[in-house]
Parts: sequence; C-alpha cells; structure tokens
Amino acid sequence: DGGITQSPKYLFRKEGQNVTLSCEQNLNHDAMYWYRQDPGQGLRLIYYSQIVNDFQKGDIAEGYSVSREKKESFPLTVTSAQKNPTAFYLCASSILGGTGELFFGEGSRLTVL
Amino acid sequence: AQRVTQPEKLLSVFKGAPVELKCNYSYSGSPELFWYVQYSRQRLQLLLRHISRESIKGFTADLNKGETSFHLKKPFAQEEDSAMYYCALSVRDYGQNFVFGPGTRLSVLP
Repeated sequence: DGGITQSPKYLFRKEGQNVTLSCEQNLNHDAMYWYRQDPGQGLRLIYYSQIVNDFQKGDIAEGYSVSREKKESFPLTVTSAQKNPTAFYLCASSILGGTGELFFGEGSRLTVL
Repeated sequence: AQRVTQPEKLLSVFKGAPVELKCNYSYSGSPELFWYVQYSRQRLQLLLRHISRESIKGFTADLNKGETSFHLKKPFAQEEDSAMYYCALSVRDYGQNFVFGPGTRLSVLP
C-alpha cells in the first residue's frame, strides 16, 4: 500500500522532554516536508528536504530539528525549546520537478501536558 | 515575501447554491497555485491546480494575475462538498516549497 505513514497518531509529552515524530514514504519521492497545522492559521512550514542529507528551514523552524538519512524517512524532533508544541503535525512528500502535488500523511497530534 | 490569504474562515451555503471560496496571493515570481481539500476524517488532498485548467468535482479556479487571485468556484454546491479548503502557492526558492492560506471551512446546508 503506497503512501506516507506518520507515527504515532497521538502523543503526549511532559514539558521539557524532546519527542520525535516519524514520517516514512514509499512513493520514491525526493522531496519531503513537515507542516504544523493550527486552527485559523492553516499549514505553516517547519522544515523541508529536497535530497538525502540536506534540508532547509521553513517559516517556523525554531525549536524543531530534522534529519534525512534515507530517502524514504524524514523524522521531526520537537525539542524542549519549542515554546508552544501542542499542535497537529503533517508530513508530506512530492516529486521534484513534477506537477507540484503534495501527498500528505494522516498527521500526528502532539499534546504537551 | 510570499503570502496566501483566504478572507473567510467559514462559508455556509445551501445545497444547490453557487459557492466561491476566495484566495489571494502575493509572490514576486511566476505563481503556481493549488487548492487542497480536507474532508472529515480524511487526509489533506489535492483538489486542483491552476496549470491543469481542469474541473474537479464540479469545481473550477482561474488564476487572475492582475488581481493576484485564485478563487475556487462551483455553480451548484452539494452536501458532500462540506470540508476544509486550503489555497496553496508553490514557491521556488531553494528547491520548491509550498505556502498555504489559513483555510476556509465550507458548510453546505441541506
């Protein structure tokens, strides 16, 4: 079954803890993205990666980190430095130089207690 | 800086009525625009892209560079059109990324 898989769907974290959200795709897409979705603010770009071992900061990268060691994987770490981490996180992928269509995962909801 | 605005947070129409979801953008480059839709309990998915000039599920959108707009239209709304709609702009900076608007929730009433 091709697509993007995000895990976990729901995650609770205590303040001061780092947490890593997983994103895996088997679409053979070069580009991968992390967005944060908040009510009334739409999707805001955290990080994106066009190729393995390379990634770029988006508009709200502070308090987040990523890695791209494999083409199919793009994990996001929400660090304790992120001031307001409770949110819904969406991972997406696309073909470089393609039509521009983004393929999204189902999302991960992080709640900081 | 690139930006996408959607002035309506919520739009309610009756079944069979025309619907127009507004989208405006600001971008210094050549714009590539998209509409994404999120139905209840489903993933965010592409509805249509301006370069295709296609009609999907009865929806159309025309890029108006003079007004920097990409409004989504449908002549006769159906209840199954109720969803969250996002307008998105493709930005070619380092590689390609996408800027999304805040979204409009469309509610089609019976």
